[in-house]
Amino acid sequence: DTAVSQTPKYLVTQMGNDKSIKCEQNLGHDTMYWYKQDSKKFLKIMFSYNNKELIINETVPNRFSPKSPDKAHLNLHINSLELGDSAVYFCASRGSHSGANVLTFGAGSRLTVL
Amino acid sequence: AQSVTQLGSHVSVSEGALVLLRCNYSSSVPPYLFWYVQYPNQGLQLLLKYTTGATLVKGINGFEAEFKKSETSFHLTKPSAHMSDAAEYFCAVSLMNSGYSTLTFGKGTMLLVSP
Repeated sequence: DTAVSQTPKYLVTQMGNDKSIKCEQNLGHDTMYWYKQDSKKFLKIMFSYNNKELIINETVPNRFSPKSPDKAHLNLHINSLELGDSAVYFCASRGSHSGANVLTFGAGSRLTVL
Repeated sequence: AQSVTQLGSHVSVSEGALVLLRCNYSSSVPPYLFWYVQYPNQGLQLLLKYTTGATLVKGINGFEAEFKKSETSFHLTKPSAHMSDAAEYFCAVSLMNSGYSTLTFGKGTMLLVSP
């Protein structure tokens, strides 16, 4: 069983469209994250949720809206896609008792905006 | 605030040679330190971590790293490189005992292994 699963793995779309990426973890973790990895492989935190509540919201355009229906899911919705949104988006989770902030990552969702 | 600097965006070694990937951190409080590996088109996998205690930590696939507080470093080493070690390696730092902290990553080092 995949611990942190993201769908879709690949997403190609036109500028201006709205798209969503879904993330689910079956680890029983309380905290989930979205990271963005740009073309230079740099990883940057976007959002973090703890028990469905937003706790970290970095400087991200309002076009990005995370939603956590329950603590096992954290979805990312992007409105009015722009070329610069092309990246690999990683979901991750962390348990409250894992200590040391060990994050478990999904395999990533590669978004290409044309 | 914390930050991570990885020296060298690319490191090339021959198969069987020593691997050394450098990482320096900046943190206002004692940090937790991590190395993650990313194989092509895959997610990040934890190699090893330092929290407290022994400063030399061993990870998977024969990798180890040593926390040197005086040098604010956490370099990753492996005595003998294997072709399968070719990947992107990320050093990361996290604040200790901070329930709402996140991992701050370095910019990554691509390890290239030649036959």
